[in-house]
Amino acid sequence: DGGITQSPKYLFRKEGQNVTLSCEQNLNHDAMYWYRQDPGQGLRLIYYSQIVNDFQKGDIAEGYSVSREKKESFPLTVTSAQKNPTAFYLCASSKRGTGHEAFFGQGTRLTVV
Amino acid sequence: SQQGEEDPQALSIQEGENATMNCSYKTSINNLQWYRQNSGRGLVHLILIRSNEREKHSGRLRVTLDTSKKSSSLLITASRAADTASYFCATDREGGNTGKLIFGQGTTLQVKP
Repeated sequence: DGGITQSPKYLFRKEGQNVTLSCEQNLNHDAMYWYRQDPGQGLRLIYYSQIVNDFQKGDIAEGYSVSREKKESFPLTVTSAQKNPTAFYLCASSKRGTGHEAFFGQGTRLTVV
Repeated sequence: SQQGEEDPQALSIQEGENATMNCSYKTSINNLQWYRQNSGRGLVHLILIRSNEREKHSGRLRVTLDTSKKSSSLLITASRAADTASYFCATDREGGNTGKLIFGQGTTLQVKP
C-alpha cells in the first residue's frame, strides 16, 4: 500500500534534548512538508522540500532542522533551541508544483516533560 | 502566517441536516483545497477547486469559490455522524510553484445522531 508513515506516534522530550521525528513515503512524491499544529489551531509550515538535497524554511523554522538525503525520507529534528515544542507534528507529501493534493501522515504528538 | 479564516469556528447539527463552512483568504491564489481531520489524526484531502472554477461537486460535498470576494464555502449535504471532524481550507499563492499550502484555523463540526 502506498502511503506516508510518521513515527513515533507519541514522543516525550526532556528539557534541553534534541529529538528527531521520522517521516517516510512510498508515493514517489518529490515534495515533502512538515507542519506544526497547536490545540484548536490550523497548521503552520515549518520546512518544505521540493527535491532531494534541497529544502526551504517555512513560517516557523526557528528551533527546527531537516534533511532530505533520500526522496522517501524527510526527518525533522526539534532542537533544544525550540522553546515551546509541545505540539502535534504532521508530515505531508505531494507531487511537485501547485494544484496537487497533499497526503498526510498520522502525526507525532510531542510533549516536553 | 495564516492565509485563511474559517467561519464558524464550531458547528453542531443533527444528522440529516446540511452543514456549511466558509473560508476567506487574503492573497490571490492558484487553487483552494478542503481537508478533513478526525481528532488526533492526519488530514485527508476532500476536494480541490482551481481559481478559474466557481463550483465543484464530489459526492455529498459541494464547494464554491468566489475569487472577487476571496472566499470559498464547503457544503456537506445530508450529514452523518461519521462526518464529525475538523475541516480546513488551504490555499497556495498565485504565481507560486512550490505547492506549499497555507491553512486556515478550521471549523469543528459535530453531527449528532
